[in-house]
Amino acid sequence: QKEVEQNSGPLSVPEGAIASLNCTYSDRGSQSFFWYRQYSGKSPELIMSIYSNGDKEDGRFTAQLNKASQYVSLLIRDSQPSDSATYLCAVRRNQAGTALIFGKGTTLSVSS
Amino acid sequence: EADIYQTPRYLVIGTGKKITLECSQTMGHDKMYWYQQDPGMELHLIHYSYGVNSTEKGDLSSESTVSRIRTEHFPLTLESARPSHTSQYLCASRTSGGSDTQYFGPGTRLTVL
Repeated sequence: QKEVEQNSGPLSVPEGAIASLNCTYSDRGSQSFFWYRQYSGKSPELIMSIYSNGDKEDGRFTAQLNKASQYVSLLIRDSQPSDSATYLCAVRRNQAGTALIFGKGTTLSVSS
Repeated sequence: EADIYQTPRYLVIGTGKKITLECSQTMGHDKMYWYQQDPGMELHLIHYSYGVNSTEKGDLSSESTVSRIRTEHFPLTLESARPSHTSQYLCASRTSGGSDTQYFGPGTRLTVL
C-alpha cells in the first residue's frame, strides 16, 4: 500500500463547476497535510495546508480533513481553465520525520 | 514568493560524466530536500538535510550524494551519470519554526544519453 494514494484521473469538469479531489494516507500518526498544484513541466506550488479535522477555506479552494478515516480532500469551486493542472496531495509524517511524502497526483482538466 | 534557485535548468550529458546539480535558497531555511520526479509519476524524496553538516538519504535509493557546508547551499552530485538517472530533480526548503510551508525550486531536467 502506497503511503499517500490519489486517483490519477484525469478528472474532467466544465468551467464553473466544482472539482473534487481526494487523497488517502496510511500513516495514522501523520500531522500535516498539503495540497500542491503542478503545471506540466513546472515545480509544485502550495495551494492549501490543513492540520486539524474539518474544513479550511481559502478563496475558491476548500481543504477537508478527516483523520479518523485518514482522508483529505480539495474542493475547487467555480473551476477555471487555468485550474487545469496536476494536484498533488502531500503528508508530513509524525514528529520524528519532517519530509513531505507525495501522492502521484490527480490531473484536472477544466473545459471552457 | 520563494527564493530558491536551481542550476542548470536543463542538462543533457553523456554516460559516465560527473555532474553536480546546484540548489540555493536565500530564505535562511535550515531544512532542505531533493526530490526526483519522472514524468507522470510522484515525487520521491532522495536526500534531505536538517542543517549544516547534516545529510540523510531519503526513501528512494539513489546513487547520488549531497553536501551541506553552508545553510543556503545544498548541491547534489552524480559521480558517474547513467541513462537511468534521466529525470527531473526538484530541490525544496522550509524553516523549522513558524510557517510549515515547503517551497520548491524550478527544477533541473536531466537527460543522460
